[in-house]
Amino acid sequence: KNEVEQSPQNLTAQEGEFITINCSYSVGISALHWLQQHPGGGIVSLFMLSSGKKKHGRLIATINIQEKHSSLHITASHPRDSAVYICAVHPYSGGGADGLTFGKGTHLIIQP
Amino acid sequence: EAGVTQSPTHLIKTRGQHATLRCSPISGHTSVYWYQQALGLGLQFLLWYDEGEERNRGNFPPRFSGRQFPNYSSELNVNALELEDSALYLCASSLAVGEVDAAKNIQYFGAGTRLSVL
Repeated sequence: KNEVEQSPQNLTAQEGEFITINCSYSVGISALHWLQQHPGGGIVSLFMLSSGKKKHGRLIATINIQEKHSSLHITASHPRDSAVYICAVHPYSGGGADGLTFGKGTHLIIQP
Repeated sequence: EAGVTQSPTHLIKTRGQHATLRCSPISGHTSVYWYQQALGLGLQFLLWYDEGEERNRGNFPPRFSGRQFPNYSSELNVNALELEDSALYLCASSLAVGEVDAAKNIQYFGAGTRLSVL
């Protein structure tokens, strides 16, 4: 079982729809990232969360540490939002830091 | 301010050869991470360097190695290339690790080097 599970794996929606991508993890973490990867590979870090909620433009990310769950929401979706969205966690290793552990990503397509 | 830069953008090698990938972190960042994104496998942690030292490595064979230079730039070296090493290799940097200020732990990613092994 993967330590980080994302759902859905694939999502196709119409322009303007409200989008929710979910991430569940099974390990203790110090922080969680939401990343965006466009075709061609470049990755952009959208958010890093350790508690609560963050908002940037049309993007909102929430995390519930007790439930080990995070969501990424996109309001008023647009075709340029089409990308792979990846949830990644910093496992809490106590004495140091590991690299991120990644979910398999959610492939989002927004149709005009 | 320049972001994380990686070179080359694309690299084509044949089996058994050696590959060197380079990463320049954001100015002021001391931690550099390397990740592999192979087709169908998702992103996997490879190596973490901080202050010139290898701090941690993922589940990869010793053929994968690297180093971090005094200016905090980093190299990833892959020896005896195998076909399954074909992947996108991503570098990320962060300001600090383990800081109370979580914002300092945000990792910023480069655009990646696409390695093709023929």
